[in-house]
Amino acid sequence: SQKIEQNSEALNIQEGKTATLTCNYTNYSPAYLQWYRQDPGRGPVFLLLIRENEKEKRKERLKVTFDTTLKQSLFHITASQPADSATYLCALDRGSTLGRLYFGRGTQLTVWP
Amino acid sequence: DAGITQSPRHKVTETGTPVTLRCHQTENHRYMYWYRQDPGHGLRLIHYSYGVKDTDKGEVSDGYSVSRSKTEDFLLTLESATSSQTSVYFCAISDLGGAGTYEQYFGPGTRLTVT
Repeated sequence: SQKIEQNSEALNIQEGKTATLTCNYTNYSPAYLQWYRQDPGRGPVFLLLIRENEKEKRKERLKVTFDTTLKQSLFHITASQPADSATYLCALDRGSTLGRLYFGRGTQLTVWP
Repeated sequence: DAGITQSPRHKVTETGTPVTLRCHQTENHRYMYWYRQDPGHGLRLIHYSYGVKDTDKGEVSDGYSVSRSKTEDFLLTLESATSSQTSVYFCAISDLGGAGTYEQYFGPGTRLTVT
């Protein structure tokens, strides 16, 4: 079965630093990797998607990389702010026509002033 | 929350009673999903739908059934609720985007407690 691991349950960093979150997967190679943000008591919100043939994707202060050799995606938040504090989920899309995703457990990021 | 509502938002019920959760969307998206989220497990797919009356099981479907009679509504039923079904339930929708991808958009969640 598909396994997705986000190898840190929690990450604490100081404001202004770059946060780096890791997502590793096994068994099947995804067609896409997606990243979501979840705030307490709310549903996840889509942030970014990267395809298997893309090395890097950027959106404002966010950057995602995808290394199919290492079977790993890294999610970076540069110039982090306390408002970035949330749980970040990675999700694997195997490219089926049903839009089905496999989610990791998430990494809880806390950015302190 | 991208035109997705869930009802009820909170429910407390007793073991053995039937429970139905409703997900309603106004986006006309083809695909709808029910997840449960528990500490230590993350989001796990219960059932999903790829069209009206077309549904399939996810990874944790035992004890749950679903129905989709209209594009906009996806119902999740616990036929006889058990304490292990205490969880937060999320509905999500998606459709094939212009880039050929399926980002999901989530509802606000339903917190269900089975006593």
